[in-house]
Amino acid sequence: QSALTQPPSASGSPGQSVTISCTGTSSDVGGYNYVSWYQQHPGKAPKLMIYEVSKRPSGVPDRFSGSKSGDTASLTVSGLQAEDEADYYCSSYAGSNNYVFGAGTKVTVL
Amino acid sequence: EVQLVESGGGLVQPGGSLRLSCAASGFTFTNHYMDWVRQAPGKGLEWVGRITNTPNNYITNYAASVKGRFTISRDDSKNSLSLQMNSLKTEDTAVYYCARDWAASMDVWGQGTTVTVSS
Repeated sequence: QSALTQPPSASGSPGQSVTISCTGTSSDVGGYNYVSWYQQHPGKAPKLMIYEVSKRPSGVPDRFSGSKSGDTASLTVSGLQAEDEADYYCSSYAGSNNYVFGAGTKVTVL
Repeated sequence: EVQLVESGGGLVQPGGSLRLSCAASGFTFTNHYMDWVRQAPGKGLEWVGRITNTPNNYITNYAASVKGRFTISRDDSKNSLSLQMNSLKTEDTAVYYCARDWAASMDVWGQGTTVTVSS
């Protein structure tokens, strides 16, 4: 199972929006509505930000939103804040009780 | 407080074995599948495997990179998850996280335990 494709980096100024893409195949992202996104600050454990493509767990700000079109999912962070600077990983169910992660995107707040 | 705490990491020689543990608290452990995810130094997240929650019929699934070498088990009486790692390779060096599986995502993570495979 190949890793999902994410851009290595993305950036934006405070208050702006940034969108991160996550491209897979019809066997993972395109085949299931089970895409999730994780935020990871340096030296910390990942944190779930989005599940089932576009749902936010309790406590996650509504500045974070997810979507999917075909084999590509996206995470948008609106109203960027300094604390949003982190690594972001997408993940998808890949069938046969397997999961696959993306390689990660480093978001920088300028 | 919902919490997962990993333990058991350390330094091991190539070809050796190590057993990781994960203690769960603050939620009904038997209601959830559980996962192991690892992160090599400076690298991204890699799903390792998952165990279901059906008593006496636990089903495990593994990433191709660890299949046949790693075994996930759980002890519901102790709210505990384990990862037995055999035939370890240098490329297994990573921080290993246990995570609670929910809606095909991982909604609760431990702090991680570090495994170093080196001679």
